[in-house]
Amino acid sequence: AQKITQTQPGMFVQEKEAVTLDCTYDTSDQSYGLFWYKQPSSGEMIFLIYQGSYDEQNATEGRYSLNFQKARKSANLVISASQLGDSAMYFCAMREAPGGGKLIFGQGTELSVKP
Amino acid sequence: DAGVTQSPTHLIKTRGQQVTLRCSPKSGHDTVSWYQQALGQGPQFIFQYYEEEERQRGNFPDRFSGHQFPNYSSELNVNALLLGDSALYLCASSLGDGLRTEAFFGQGTRLTVV
Repeated sequence: AQKITQTQPGMFVQEKEAVTLDCTYDTSDQSYGLFWYKQPSSGEMIFLIYQGSYDEQNATEGRYSLNFQKARKSANLVISASQLGDSAMYFCAMREAPGGGKLIFGQGTELSVKP
Repeated sequence: DAGVTQSPTHLIKTRGQQVTLRCSPKSGHDTVSWYQQALGQGPQFIFQYYEEEERQRGNFPDRFSGHQFPNYSSELNVNALLLGDSALYLCASSLGDGLRTEAFFGQGTRLTVV
């Protein structure tokens, strides 16, 4: 069964507007971590934001925030004030506590920012 | 401070050959993980090395093997290459493997099998 689902293969957003990238996950563990990574065309995965399953507040890192809805098992990424440089692939990933450190990735969403 | 470096950046191999990919972790990191990313897909976990031992393995055949050296650098070896092994191979390093531990990725090695 797919553990991370990203249902938006591609998204467009106007420069300076906000955009939400969807991510749902599936786990039976109570302790887990959720990550968002950005992958530009160069290939390197760049860490954006982290949310722990026991964190009571939604995570924020600059223009990035994570809309964490535990009961719905969703961890959507919100990018505010989009910039042209935000155009890239975005991956949601999960690490389960007994997983030994491995990250489980979704299929990704390709974000294109229009000027 | 150099981040994670991988070599080579691109590689073309013939079906049936063997290939070795290399990774130098970020300074101070002791754990190295390898991922395979097929075109249009998310990365898939291959295995993780810590203290020169394979600590965890994903759902990959024995044709995929690895090694970690005392300086924490790592190699990924793939034997008897198949066309389906064509992918971007990403190396990630971290200090430990805690739940919140951030993994730092290299730019990857793009392997093409013809």
